[in-house]
Amino acid sequence: AQKITQTQPGMFVQEKEAVTLDCTYDTSDQSYGLFWYKQPSSGEMIFLIYQGSYDEQNATEGRYSLNFQKARKSANLVISASQLGDSAMYFCAMRFYNQGGKLIFGQGTELSVKP
Amino acid sequence: NAGVTQTPKFQVLKTGQSMTLQCAQDMNHNSMYWYRQDPGMGLRLIYYSASEGTTDKGEVPNGYNVSRLNKREFSLRLESAAPSQTSVYFCASGTGGFSSGANVLTFGAGSRLTVL
Repeated sequence: AQKITQTQPGMFVQEKEAVTLDCTYDTSDQSYGLFWYKQPSSGEMIFLIYQGSYDEQNATEGRYSLNFQKARKSANLVISASQLGDSAMYFCAMRFYNQGGKLIFGQGTELSVKP
Repeated sequence: NAGVTQTPKFQVLKTGQSMTLQCAQDMNHNSMYWYRQDPGMGLRLIYYSASEGTTDKGEVPNGYNVSRLNKREFSLRLESAAPSQTSVYFCASGTGGFSSGANVLTFGAGSRLTVL
């Protein structure tokens, strides 16, 4: 079975603090990519960060880092120094390269940053 | 650059009517995707096309058909709309490579469909 699970429907974080959004996945494929997307209230999907299944180092993009634990099949997003503009829905996604690039999403986590 | 363009942005249908959502990308991407987004359920894959001339079912294909008209265009058709198909639909496109720089998918702005 191929599945992405985000177990936190909603999260709160104080401005300037760090927050971790959880993502676990299930696949028997060896070649896959893990993504995080942000969806603000305006509705557009914004790419944040990518980790390939063969990448040994955790990906980082500015204030975003991906804590990739392959054996545990987890790909948690860490946002450092949260800002009010980080309030949004966050989606974890997985792409399967042996299946024509099929991409599936988790249910999402709604993050609210408090001033 | 327009990126991924979806039309229409809004549509209201009556049960049983048919319609086609259009999607076009100008980034020379091989892969294209259609998703629906419902509250609390994230984005669910309806159909995708790995390259021109191929289409595959995703997680929720029932009630939909797709056509990869050419490399740029990927349309989604509802033959007989049902209230359960009320949703926001997103089209996306991406390259097919495995290298990290080639893997970002670009999304359209979404199409809000209401079936009465």
